[in-house]
Amino acid sequence: GENVEQHPSTLSVQEGDSAVIKCTYSDSASNYFPWYKQELGKRPQLIIDIRSNVGEKKDQRIAVTLNKTAKHFSLHITETQPEDSAVYFCAAKHGNTPLVFGKGTRLSVIA
Amino acid sequence: GAVVSQHPSRVICKSGTSVKIECRSLDFQATTMFWYRQFPKQSLMLMATSNEGSKATYEQGVEKDKFLINHASLTLSTLTVTSAHPEDSSFYICSVYSGGATDTQYFGPGTRLTVL
Repeated sequence: GENVEQHPSTLSVQEGDSAVIKCTYSDSASNYFPWYKQELGKRPQLIIDIRSNVGEKKDQRIAVTLNKTAKHFSLHITETQPEDSAVYFCAAKHGNTPLVFGKGTRLSVIA
Repeated sequence: GAVVSQHPSRVICKSGTSVKIECRSLDFQATTMFWYRQFPKQSLMLMATSNEGSKATYEQGVEKDKFLINHASLTLSTLTVTSAHPEDSSFYICSVYSGGATDTQYFGPGTRLTVL
């Protein structure tokens, strides 16, 4: 089955700097790669996703890139703000198989 | 996206009792639902896949006799934690598979279970 690795596990950046979180996956059949932001005690919130027919997708300060050949995808957050501090999870799936999550990255944005 | 609710949002119970968690798809007919468990400071781990009208498929290491799943309708799946113990204390989150063109999963708000 699918296995998703995520790095780093913790990340601290100064406000205004960029943050990059990287994930790799093992199942070449996976074609859907969402990123979630989770605040303490709450459900994961989808912040951006990408499908395998696209190499990059951007939504304001957030972007995701996908390299299907290397089986890795990354989340980029620019101009970070304190409210970006949270735990971020990458995930992968294909068809009606369940999402498999990475272990998460705790992002701290220091004002 | 689909609206998914869970009930209760929090539950505290004594060791040895059973707890039922409901997951409802409020505006979408869900053939497939997934149940995840999240321990503190850890990721979401899939427990089981629930298909309407058939038996659930459990992940390795998840006891099907302890975590009973019933998906009797297209809008409701239930997870019953039987004879709960303190190590079952966790955040339980259900997820609805959308199928079709959207081909994604929508998450419920989660249920915080604390077993004393």
